[in-house]
Amino acid sequence: DIQMTQSPSSLSASVGDRVTITCRASQAISTSLNWYQQKPGKAPKLLIYVASILQSGVPSRFRGSGSATDFTLTISSLQPEDFATYYCQQSYTSPLTFGGGTKVDIK
Amino acid sequence: QVQLVESGGGVVQPGRSLRLSCVASGFIFSSYGMHWVRQAPGKGLEWVAVIWYDGNTEYYADSVKGRFTISRDNSQNTLYLQMNSLRAEDTAVYYCAREGTASTILYYFDSWGQGTQVTVSS
Repeated sequence: DIQMTQSPSSLSASVGDRVTITCRASQAISTSLNWYQQKPGKAPKLLIYVASILQSGVPSRFRGSGSATDFTLTISSLQPEDFATYYCQQSYTSPLTFGGGTKVDIK
Repeated sequence: QVQLVESGGGVVQPGRSLRLSCVASGFIFSSYGMHWVRQAPGKGLEWVAVIWYDGNTEYYADSVKGRFTISRDNSQNTLYLQMNSLRAEDTAVYYCAREGTASTILYYFDSWGQGTQVTVSS
């Protein structure tokens, strides 16, 4: 199975900060990488698919990049509604696997 | 708009069975692959199973293979997860999720239900 490792596992930031979350795959997965946002008690929401394509309706402050084994989710200017947990997920092969999550909270 | 509504969760004893349902609306159900994803209390997300849009292909996580069966009824716009031989470690919120692209499988999830809680406990 492909292991997905996210870092950091948590971070504290302020509104307006630039935030970067990284995701590393245990083997090359091309650009088969997706990002989700989850708020407490809610279902996850797709943000980015195929490493860098912004899902319809997602604000442009979210940006995904990377290929092969190293990927990044960047939030250019953190907004109050962005405090949540973020997960990466590889879609290269079954079994599909997620990273452990990065919790973004208020500094 | 896309809507996915899960049901069938509850409290069940170890070794027993449960069937989850997910009713879809707002899109052509028969054109999309569908997934089940679960989340144990306080934990991250775990993919469980996928079924192709035509129901002819299924894949499972190793942790549920041989115990869980995913199926669908395209005439009823409904996805199912039959869970047998349940274990304490199957305790989780179970989400159904729509495949991101119609008529193929790219293995990402663009719409999610609200989830249904399954608790396995004696």
